[in-house]
Amino acid sequence: GAVVSQHPSRVICKSGTSVKIECRSLDFQATTMFWYRQFPKQSLMLMATSNEGSKATYEQGVEKDKFLINHASLTLSTLTVTSAHPEDSSFYICSARDSGISFEQYFGPGTRLTVT
Amino acid sequence: AQSVTQPDIHITVSEGASLELRCNYSYGATPYLFWYVQSPGQGLQLLLKYFSGDTLVQGIKGFEAEFKRSQSSFNLRKPSVHWSDAAEYFCAVVSGRRALTFGSGTRLQVQP
Repeated sequence: GAVVSQHPSRVICKSGTSVKIECRSLDFQATTMFWYRQFPKQSLMLMATSNEGSKATYEQGVEKDKFLINHASLTLSTLTVTSAHPEDSSFYICSARDSGISFEQYFGPGTRLTVT
Repeated sequence: AQSVTQPDIHITVSEGASLELRCNYSYGATPYLFWYVQSPGQGLQLLLKYFSGDTLVQGIKGFEAEFKRSQSSFNLRKPSVHWSDAAEYFCAVVSGRRALTFGSGTRLQVQP
């Protein structure tokens, strides 16, 4: 089956620093990847849609200068949280859609970010 | 805009009992619907999906769901719950950007 990996799985950083999270599709090509955010005991909220070779599309209320997304290849998208603050602490989950016509998405295992 | 409602925040059932988790969606066209399960601190695992065809969908781990257009529902069922089924369950619908809009989730607790 299609596998999506995320790295790191868990990261702790100090306030004001930047953190990069990688999302990789291991056995398929993904022209589109999605980044979601999940606060404790809450649902997943879409942050942005990442398309290979073009700028990401951000959802309303998501700061594009704070959450930098790069989708440089068909198997890799990165999310960089810049100048992180404690309120950015959350569970970040990526998903990738096969380049075919399927609507199915494959989810990564998530990255737990804690900003101290 | 698409939306998904899961009316039950928390459900507790006894092991061996049947289970039904409710999901209602709001979508203008034919919806593409999913059920996912999430264990604490973990990612999402797809249980089943509905795109078209037979409205009764079979999934993994003995789960099934029935799409009812007239009721805008896609309820998840299992005839006999196991202790390992305790987790958070999310219903989702494909949205305009092909991303997913998730319901608020239902936390399932299984009593011995």
